[in-house]
Amino acid sequence: SQQGEEDPQALSIQEGENATMNCSYKTSINNLQWYRQNSGRGLVHLILIRSNEREKHSGRLRVTLDTSKKSSSLLITASRAADTASYFCATVLSGTYKYIFGTGTRLKVLA
Amino acid sequence: DTGVSQNPRHKITKRGQNVTFRCDPISEHNRLYWYRQTLGQGPEFLTYFQNEAQLEKSRLLSDRFSAERPKGSFSTLEIQRTEQGDSAMYLCASSLATAARIHEQYFGPGTRLTVT
Repeated sequence: SQQGEEDPQALSIQEGENATMNCSYKTSINNLQWYRQNSGRGLVHLILIRSNEREKHSGRLRVTLDTSKKSSSLLITASRAADTASYFCATVLSGTYKYIFGTGTRLKVLA
Repeated sequence: DTGVSQNPRHKITKRGQNVTFRCDPISEHNRLYWYRQTLGQGPEFLTYFQNEAQLEKSRLLSDRFSAERPKGSFSTLEIQRTEQGDSAMYLCASSLATAARIHEQYFGPGTRLTVT
């Protein structure tokens, strides 16, 4: 079974707007990663945040992690049509090297 | 292209047949993972290797599934006596893991299996 759940399941925004998606998980983690999947390029790693970090930035991406609430959020600023894809969080459980993916958020950016 | 490659990209087979998929990871990566993904779901962990050793295997992986990584380079995933429920995208990923940290995974394009 999948440990992470993304919210919302689907999101539709206009180009230029910000997109926020959330991920909740159940057990202690070593780190949390976000991936993007579209039909053209498969699954691509976006950003990794460790359990002792609270916020991380990479270009137009901002990730937060709240281990007390077992949740993370991914913010994409100034969205573009090319950001249209499914976004998944993946947690690496403490003491293992096993990645558990969430159910994904399908983002559609309208031009 | 130095990314992760998978072959074949598509496989159609009849129920009851055996199938084998191959994954070639990024050459310097020591970890290799297999996942299964069905429509509308995230990748589901199946198994992973550190070099040639298979270190963890999902409970989802029935006795019909077996994976190998004989020389710590490429890996194969075999499904015996395929069932229609095995129809899915099978993804391979590799990463470079050290004792100090866990790294991101690099995914291959996947093998789409259709069992008729």
